[in-house]
Amino acid sequence: AQSVTQLGSHVSVSEGALVLLRCNYSSSVPPYLFWYVQYPNQGLQLLLKYTSAATLVKGINGFEAEFKKSETSFHLTKPSAHMSDAAEYFCAVSSLSGNTPLVFGKGTRLSVIA
Amino acid sequence: DGGITQSPKYLFRKEGQNVTLSCEQNLNHDAMYWYRQDPGQGLRLIYYSQIVNDFQKGDIAEGYSVSREKKESFPLTVTSAQKNPTAFYLCASRSQGALNGYTFGSGTRLTVV
Repeated sequence: AQSVTQLGSHVSVSEGALVLLRCNYSSSVPPYLFWYVQYPNQGLQLLLKYTSAATLVKGINGFEAEFKKSETSFHLTKPSAHMSDAAEYFCAVSSLSGNTPLVFGKGTRLSVIA
Repeated sequence: DGGITQSPKYLFRKEGQNVTLSCEQNLNHDAMYWYRQDPGQGLRLIYYSQIVNDFQKGDIAEGYSVSREKKESFPLTVTSAQKNPTAFYLCASRSQGALNGYTFGSGTRLTVV
């Protein structure tokens, strides 16, 4: 069965500092991977997705993620944090068939300190 | 514009009453999902449906019911059997194919008093 682990339920960074949110997956074959962002009292919005076309994936709002098969990781990064990046971030994995629901990590809440 | 609409945004109900949350999409997506979100617990899958007139239980289906009579609609009923129904409920849809992620609605916050 597939699973996703997000290390750190809460990450705090200073404005302008590097953002690094960690995601490790467990899957017998390289899966498809997604990062979502959720602002308070809103639904989730897709940030980016890995679909095997390229290991470095660029998303919206300056975020990017790198798929590393050897480390079974798909960490999300942003070079310089903005106050508006404060939100909750979820990593998710899809089976290759797409016939089963996405499996989500428990989320990481990002705080940005001025 | 295509999208997925959840209504109402906020819902208050007395304990022991059934309540139905609406989810409508005009994206022509085949699959639809209901999740429950509680602080610190991430998203937990309640029910999902991949085609009309068919649905499957998720991880926490007890106390909930759904129907899928139309492709566009996937309402969720929170019954009086659900012991702790106060939560944020999210509906999502997805077109066929593993490459596609979910499109989420904006959620319904249910408070039972």
